[in-house]
Amino acid sequence: DQQVKQNSPSLSVQEGRISILNCDYTNSMFDYFLWYKKYPAEGPTFLISISSIKDKNEDGRFTVFLNKSAKHLSLHIVPSQPGDSAVYFCAASGLGSGGSNYKLTFGKGTLLTVNP
Amino acid sequence: KAGVTQTPRYLIKTRGQQVTLSCSPISGHRSVSWYQQTPGQGLQFLFEYFSETQRNKGNFPGRFSGRQFSNSRSEMNVSTLELGDSALYLCASSPPTGANTGELFFGEGSRLTVL
Repeated sequence: DQQVKQNSPSLSVQEGRISILNCDYTNSMFDYFLWYKKYPAEGPTFLISISSIKDKNEDGRFTVFLNKSAKHLSLHIVPSQPGDSAVYFCAASGLGSGGSNYKLTFGKGTLLTVNP
Repeated sequence: KAGVTQTPRYLIKTRGQQVTLSCSPISGHRSVSWYQQTPGQGLQFLFEYFSETQRNKGNFPGRFSGRQFSNSRSEMNVSTLELGDSALYLCASSPPTGANTGELFFGEGSRLTVL
């Protein structure tokens, strides 16, 4: 049973426009959500996170929104740049992860392509 | 500050063999986690070690095992390899903060191919 779902395997946007990546989760015990970016042949790198006590967190061009009632979060990238092209993973942690916040439950990822 | 180092980066094995992968965490990080990444499955949690003790374990068969040493370096072992074990194995370490947010620092991974 997949507890973190990224329903869009891929997304293509034009440079300068907004990229919106979506993520849904099923376990209400998750209390911390993270986005990771992964380039080919590299390990994932942390991008931005949000605690369940917030509904928005912003860091430069990246903003994460959390809708707890809908169990949905999204990552907005504005403006999108060609260097943003990568696989983006949504992840969740909390008691729903087996009682420890050191276990992350990941979605399957969304491949973002930003076209010049 | 050196990042998470994994060795070897690439390896090829045949079915039935066993493999050992190594991970050196960021200096000062005591928690080490292992994840398996396969096409279409995302990253799946294998296990997590802290102070030489396994604290969490994912839903993988007993052929997958790990350990952590007193210097926080970790190894994972897969015995009796199967074709389906072909994957990128990622190690990650966590800083010793009180936030317990789950932020992980990943290595570049060990790409295992089983023939």
